[in-house]
Amino acid sequence: DQQVKQNSPSLSVQEGRISILNCDYTNSMFDYFLWYKKYPAEGPTFLISISSIKDKNEDGRFTVFLNKSAKHLSLHIVPSQPGDSAVYFCAAYSGAGSYQLTFGKGTKLSVIP
Amino acid sequence: DAGITQSPRYKITETGRQVTLMCHQTWSHSYMFWYRQDLGHGLRLIYYSAAADITDKGEVPDGYVVSRSKTENFPLTLESATRSQTSVYFCASTPSGNTIYFGEGSWLTVV
Repeated sequence: DQQVKQNSPSLSVQEGRISILNCDYTNSMFDYFLWYKKYPAEGPTFLISISSIKDKNEDGRFTVFLNKSAKHLSLHIVPSQPGDSAVYFCAAYSGAGSYQLTFGKGTKLSVIP
Repeated sequence: DAGITQSPRYKITETGRQVTLMCHQTWSHSYMFWYRQDLGHGLRLIYYSAAADITDKGEVPDGYVVSRSKTENFPLTLESATRSQTSVYFCASTPSGNTIYFGEGSWLTVV
């Protein structure tokens, strides 16, 4: 049973446009969500996170939206740049004191110059 | 600021051999983790540790052993490597969960 789902394996976006990466979850106990970016042969790099008590968090070009009733979150990248081309993972955990992440399978973003 | 370092980065071993992957962090973070990444599965948690001498199983612990005698080190041992343990292994750490930092990965091939 996959608790964090990224249903789009890949996404292509034109440079300068908005990239929207989606993530759904089934475990209502999740209370913290994180997005990671991963280049080939490197470890995941933390991008942005959001607590379940918020519905939006913004950091520069990256904004994460959380819809708890729909159990859905999305990552918006505006404007998209060629260097954003990578695999993006959505992850979540429940409860302070463990921080055990459950990951989605990732979405490969390609930003076309 | 070295962060998290993993060694070896690349390893080929034979079935049945014991292999230890090392993880060292320079931040004195309390929490440390080992994940593996396989095609079609994303990253899955093997073991985690909340502090020195405190470890617990994650989603896929079978065939692995961990220890944490010092806060900064969290080695992962495959006691008798199997082909199904061919994977990319990532170590991670966090002080509080708001941001969880990953190492660059250890590529392990079991032949």
